[in-house]
Amino acid sequence: AQSVTQLGSHVSVSEGALVLLRCNYSSSVPPYLFWYVQYPNQGLQLLLKYTSAATLVKGINGFEAEFKKSETSFHLTKPSAHMRDAAEYFCAVSFFTGFQKLVFGTGTRLLVSP
Amino acid sequence: EAGVAQSPRYKIIEKRQSVAFWCNPISGHATLYWYQQILGQGPKLLIQFQNNGVVDDSQLPKDRFSAERLKGVDSTLKIQPAKLEDSAVYLCASSLESRGEQFFGPGTRLTVL
Repeated sequence: AQSVTQLGSHVSVSEGALVLLRCNYSSSVPPYLFWYVQYPNQGLQLLLKYTSAATLVKGINGFEAEFKKSETSFHLTKPSAHMRDAAEYFCAVSFFTGFQKLVFGTGTRLLVSP
Repeated sequence: EAGVAQSPRYKIIEKRQSVAFWCNPISGHATLYWYQQILGQGPKLLIQFQNNGVVDDSQLPKDRFSAERLKGVDSTLKIQPAKLEDSAVYLCASSLESRGEQFFGPGTRLTVL
């Protein structure tokens, strides 16, 4: 069965510091992987996705993620955190049973301090 | 382009009462999803529609939850009767087709007392 594990329910960084949010996946077939962001009282917004093309994926707001098959990882990074990046981030794996099905991780809350 | 609309945004009910949520997807989107997001967890798919037909409701507690998508556009999700453990945010999402990017609405936060 497909699943994702997000290490760390909370990550705290200072403004301007590197952001690293960890995601490991489990999939019996080549996965499609996603990162979503959720701001308070809002729905989820797609940051980026991996669909078996380039292993380094660039997304919106300066975020990027690298697919590493050997490590079954898809960690999200941003070189320099901004206050507006404070939000909940969800990693998700997708598989197809005739239709796309997303399985989400438990989320990581990013806290950014001045 | 208007996004996915959901109402109400907040609802407080007592256990054993009934409640209904409404979702209006992005115009032209054939696929509609309902997710349940319990505090501290990621969203969990409850039901998926392709036009007005159900394609996956394997995780829908059918003894108390029901959903419909009349005319392949708007959708309603109903809980009858509600339990304390149903307290969660209910997210609706839509995609142009079954393999497309899912766009999420703001959600309905349900509190069951």
